[in-house]
Amino acid sequence: GAVVSQHPSRVICKSGTSVKIECRSLDFQATTMFWYRQFPKKSLMLMATSNEGSKATYEQGVEKDKFLINHASLTLSTLTVTSAHPEDSSFYICSAREGTGGRGYTFGSGTRLTVV
Amino acid sequence: GIQVEQSPPDLILQEGANSTLRCNFSDSVNNLQWFHQNPWGQLINLFYIPSGTKQNGRLSATTVATERYSLLYISSSQTTDSGVYFCAVGTGTASKLTFGTGTRLQVTL
Repeated sequence: GAVVSQHPSRVICKSGTSVKIECRSLDFQATTMFWYRQFPKKSLMLMATSNEGSKATYEQGVEKDKFLINHASLTLSTLTVTSAHPEDSSFYICSAREGTGGRGYTFGSGTRLTVV
Repeated sequence: GIQVEQSPPDLILQEGANSTLRCNFSDSVNNLQWFHQNPWGQLINLFYIPSGTKQNGRLSATTVATERYSLLYISSSQTTDSGVYFCAVGTGTASKLTFGTGTRLQVTL
């Protein structure tokens, strides 16, 4: 089956630094990738949708300059949290979809970011 | 945007019991999926079910699109069923999914 690799699984960084999270589709080409944020004991909130080779579409209220998304190839998308602050601490999850059908959303295993 | 509410928010079951989880949504959808998030955060797709009924082992799901709800049935629950169950919906031509509020299930021995 389809596999999405996300790393790192955990990262601790100092306030003011930037952190990059990678999301790779291992055995399929992902036409679309999604980035979610999940607070403890809460649901997943969509942050942005990205298509290969084009700019990401951000959800309302998500700062584009804070959360930089790059979808440079059909198998790789990255999320960079710039100038991280403690309030950016969260669980970040990527999802990749092959094609345009309704099925086929595969999720990465998530990245737990702690900013100290 | 579309609202997706799930009930109950929390559920504790003894092993072997059956349960029904509900997902209500506020608008027409053309995509509905059920996911299980394990205690380590991994999301696994259980069903793609924008309408009708499907079964997979001890799990089954029914979506009544005209009445804007979906049900997930878990029979003979096991401790490995513990975790959070989410429904997620999609509308129109957009490919994105909106996740529901979730049901946190704990199955005890």
